[in-house]
Amino acid sequence: QKEVEQNSGPLSVPEGAIASLNCTYSDRGSQSFFWYRQYSGKSPELIMFIYSNGDKEDGRFTAQLNKASQYVSLLIRDSQPSDSATYLCAFNSGGYNKLIFGAGTRLAVHP
Amino acid sequence: GAGVSQTPSNKVTEKGKYVELRCDPISGHTALYWYRQSLGQGPEFLIYFQGTGAADDSGLPNDRFFAVRPEGSVSTLKIQRTERGDSAVYLCASSPSGSGETQYFGPGTRLLVL
Repeated sequence: QKEVEQNSGPLSVPEGAIASLNCTYSDRGSQSFFWYRQYSGKSPELIMFIYSNGDKEDGRFTAQLNKASQYVSLLIRDSQPSDSATYLCAFNSGGYNKLIFGAGTRLAVHP
Repeated sequence: GAGVSQTPSNKVTEKGKYVELRCDPISGHTALYWYRQSLGQGPEFLIYFQGTGAADDSGLPNDRFFAVRPEGSVSTLKIQRTERGDSAVYLCASSPSGSGETQYFGPGTRLLVL
């Protein structure tokens, strides 16, 4: 079993719609969860981080964490073509400093 | 201030050669990380430095890979006897203190071993 599972996509949504990206992880000791966006040929850039169960909102982005289900998601409201990228889910287990990444979900927002 | 910088941006080498990849972290960040990303995959952890010391090198694939950070700032990843399977993008990241906070990535070095 992979440590972080993500649907590779592509996830195709129309402009203005809500994009929902999902991630499951295997380490029950995980404390911190991160969503990074990566444009083709570029390095990952942080979108959101979340530590506590529940929702965390930042502009058009909402991260949701359910530690009991070992599940984290990212919602992107009012999706724009500029949101088209690969979204990487990662966790940083308590006491460890390395990030464990999923393979990423490719999002395509079409006009 | 400036972000994480990496040089070179691209490196083409022949199988069996030695390469060095350099990372300059964000000023003041004590934690520095190296990752490797293959096509279609997420970044894979290689090594973590806290200051000058390698606190976790569990991700280095074998003894051909070595990294240093002698003065607690710039780091160099060294690969001996390169193999075609070493071809990937090598990413460096830094964070303020290494206590599980956000890691900021550099642009990466694209290594191609022919």
